[in-house]
Amino acid sequence: ETGVTQTPRHLVMGMTNKKSLKCEQHLGHNAMYWYKQSAKKPLELMFVYNFKEQTENNSVPSRFSPECPNSSHLFLHLHTLQPEDSALYLCASSQLPLSGVTDTQYFGPGTRLTVL
Amino acid sequence: AQKVTQAQTEISVVEKEDVTLDCVYETRDTTYYLFWYKQPPSGELVFLIRRNSFDEQNEISGRYSWNFQKSTSSFNFTITASQVVDSAVYFCALSEGQIQGAQKLVFGQGTRLTINP
Repeated sequence: ETGVTQTPRHLVMGMTNKKSLKCEQHLGHNAMYWYKQSAKKPLELMFVYNFKEQTENNSVPSRFSPECPNSSHLFLHLHTLQPEDSALYLCASSQLPLSGVTDTQYFGPGTRLTVL
Repeated sequence: AQKVTQAQTEISVVEKEDVTLDCVYETRDTTYYLFWYKQPPSGELVFLIRRNSFDEQNEISGRYSWNFQKSTSSFNFTITASQVVDSAVYFCALSEGQIQGAQKLVFGQGTRLTINP
């Protein structure tokens, strides 16, 4: 496997279900990100992890729960979602900025989530 | 606050035509980075280019070229002799330089480019 992988690629769930999205990066990066891409909104940053520590939570509802057990893996646990949570969820990774120099974020293929 | 505007929601051209995708940004910082990503129907965002605020040289990569102009806060993307495989949604993004913590990317709304045979 190379780059950033995400599973599953497609997920349909009911509002009472609990599911998890998985992301794995094979680039040796130390920062990972979750983004949400809805049909009518720009890409929205949800969570950021540096060295497994969460550093950013852009006011995401608690029904989304991230987990980063190590710098290569990132999960997004989902429970009691709403239909408006249907979207493409993208994972990305990068090296942490050094001395203010920003590194490039590389994205996975995304998980297309449909909440019924 | 940072903002990226891609005023062209959709563009449709015939194959082999040249096409320019516009990107205008707003930031108060003097150090920042600009990116272009391509999102084909498969969904993955594919990195195309990164440019820092101190480097205003234009860049050419094959049929792709980028025109960065700080004076107008623009970072436009031109595809020369377009091909059907160029059909995708293209995103421009802005990141301010970070010393601690991870970077934050602010994306434009994207431009859907359709190349017709």
